[in-house]
Amino acid sequence: AQSVSQHNHHVILSEAASLELGCNYSYGGTVNLFWYVQYPGQHLQLLLKYFSGDPLVKGIKGFEAEFIKSKFSFNLRKPSVQWSDTAEYFCAVTPSYNTDKLIFGTGTRLQVFP
Amino acid sequence: DAGVTQSPTHLIKTRGQQVTLRCSPKSGHDTVSWYQQALGQGPQFIFQYYEEEERQRGNFPDRFSGHQFPNYSSELNVNALLLGDSALYLCASSRTSGESVQFFGPGTRLTVL
Repeated sequence: AQSVSQHNHHVILSEAASLELGCNYSYGGTVNLFWYVQYPGQHLQLLLKYFSGDPLVKGIKGFEAEFIKSKFSFNLRKPSVQWSDTAEYFCAVTPSYNTDKLIFGTGTRLQVFP
Repeated sequence: DAGVTQSPTHLIKTRGQQVTLRCSPKSGHDTVSWYQQALGQGPQFIFQYYEEEERQRGNFPDRFSGHQFPNYSSELNVNALLLGDSALYLCASSRTSGESVQFFGPGTRLTVL
């Protein structure tokens, strides 16, 4: 069965620090990959997505992610975090042949202190 | 342009009762998916509806059922509630055509006592 692992459960950073959140998936075929963010008191929002093409994907608010097929990874990065980036971040995957069912990781809680 | 809306926001039920949650998709979307998010976990796929039929189902018992209406809105029904059904229930909508991206609603917080 497909699964997604997010190894960082809770990350604490100071403003202006760089961020990298890990995401690994288990599936041998072609996949679509997503990062969603849930700000405090708000609903899940799409941060960025990868379907095909350039493995370096840019999303909203200065976030980017790199798909490394050989490592089954889709890590999220941001060069300089802000206090407003405090949120829960979820990585999700679907096989390309079946986009109905998003499989989520357990999430990473990011706290950014001023 | 209204996003995905869900009702009610919160709900408290007792074991054994039945509950119905409602979802209206984003304008232009024809597909609705339901997810259960337990505390501290990522969302788990329950099922998806398209053209008023259940297209795919996750690993949830038959106590969980759904419906999609001609206007694409959807309901999630849970019978014989258990304490373990307490969770945030998320609705997501998408378009079947093209690159399928799911947009989520704010969720319904269900507490079973």
